[in-house]
This record gives sequence, structure tokens and C-alpha cells, in this order.
Amino acid sequence: SQQGEEDPQALSIQEGENATMNCSYKTSINNLQWYRQNSGRGLVHLILIRSNEREKHSGRLRVTLDTSKKSSSLLITASRAADTASYFCATDAFSSGYALNFGKGTSLLVTP
Amino acid sequence: DTGVSQDPRHKITKRGQNVTFRCDPISEHNRLYWYRQTLGQGPEFLTYFQNEAQLEKSRLLSDRFSAERPKGSFSTLEIQRTEQGDSAMYLCASSFGGAGELFFGEGSRLTVL
Repeated sequence: SQQGEEDPQALSIQEGENATMNCSYKTSINNLQWYRQNSGRGLVHLILIRSNEREKHSGRLRVTLDTSKKSSSLLITASRAADTASYFCATDAFSSGYALNFGKGTSLLVTP
Repeated sequence: DTGVSQDPRHKITKRGQNVTFRCDPISEHNRLYWYRQTLGQGPEFLTYFQNEAQLEKSRLLSDRFSAERPKGSFSTLEIQRTEQGDSAMYLCASSFGGAGELFFGEGSRLTVL
């Protein structure tokens, strides 16, 4: 079963704008990760945030985690057309042997 | 290229046939995962190995599906008596240890006619 749920399902913005995607999950986690997938390709890891962390940055990416609300957000600043992809959050849990469970993803379209 | 490789990339088969996918993980990675992804959905966990031991299997993995990882290196995923509902992208990923980043292959797309 899929643990995380991303919101919105689809997002369309123009280059230079910021994109924010949210993820909610159900059970206690060890860490939360965000991945990106270009159409028809494999997933690429973007960032990992541990359950005892609240915010993490990597280049133009900013991730927040609120374990009390069981939610996370991914912010992409100054978006580019090349950021067009699907973005997935993934959580692991002891109950699944720490195998990652993915949400349904947010499809991001960045237009020039 | 030392990434995760999957073969074949595309497979078209007729209902009832058996298919096998192969995954070669990053060489120093001891964990190997199989996921299935259908259009518009996120990857669904199927199973994972730590070295040659299969440690976890999803309820999604019916008895028509079998995965092996002999000698803890490459892995195969076999689907017997394929059904149209098996049409999906089968993704393999590897990692060193658990609770960390997964490295994905490009996937094997299965179409069952």
C-alpha cells in the first residue's frame, strides 16, 4: 500500500516561479525522501530528511518535515523548464523492514 | 556506467506467457528492491533482498511472481502466466544498507496483450 499522498496531483507554473509540493503520510517514520522521475525513466533521489530534522536544503530545493502533522513539503525555487517531472515522497518504517513506500506523486510542468 | 541496469527495457508478451526481468545493482550495494509502477501512480513495493536473503514481500506479490538473488549479486523477477493486469513498469533499485537513498534503474516496461 502507498503510505504517502502528495498534493497537488498536478502543478503548472512558469519558469522562475517557485513550486511547492506537499506530502502527507500515515505512520511513524524513520526518514522521508523525495524523488524525481522524468517521463518513462527511473527515479532519481533528491533529498532525505530524518525524522528528527525539521528543514533541509539542497541547492534550489528546500524540504520541511512536521512529524506532529505527519507531513512534508518540497519547495523548488526559481524553477526551470528542466524541472518538469513527477515528484514523489517516500517514507520508510520499521513495520515494512525500512523498505520505501511511495506516494502517487505530483506532476510538475514548468513552461518557458 | 556503474549504475543499476535492467534488462530488457521493454517486453511485449501474450497473456499466459512467462516473462523474466533481470536487475544488476551497483556492485557494492547489499540491498536490492523491486517495485512496480503503473501509469500515473507511484512505485509500489514488491520485495527486497539483503544480500541473497529475501527479507520482505508485499501482499501484491502473488504466487505467480517470484524473485531471486543468487549469490547476492544480480536479481531476477519472474512472472508466470502473465495477465493483462501485470502490464506495468518494473523498477529495480539498490542501496547500501537500509534507511537510505535508493538508486533506481531505468525500469523494464511490460505490456501483456
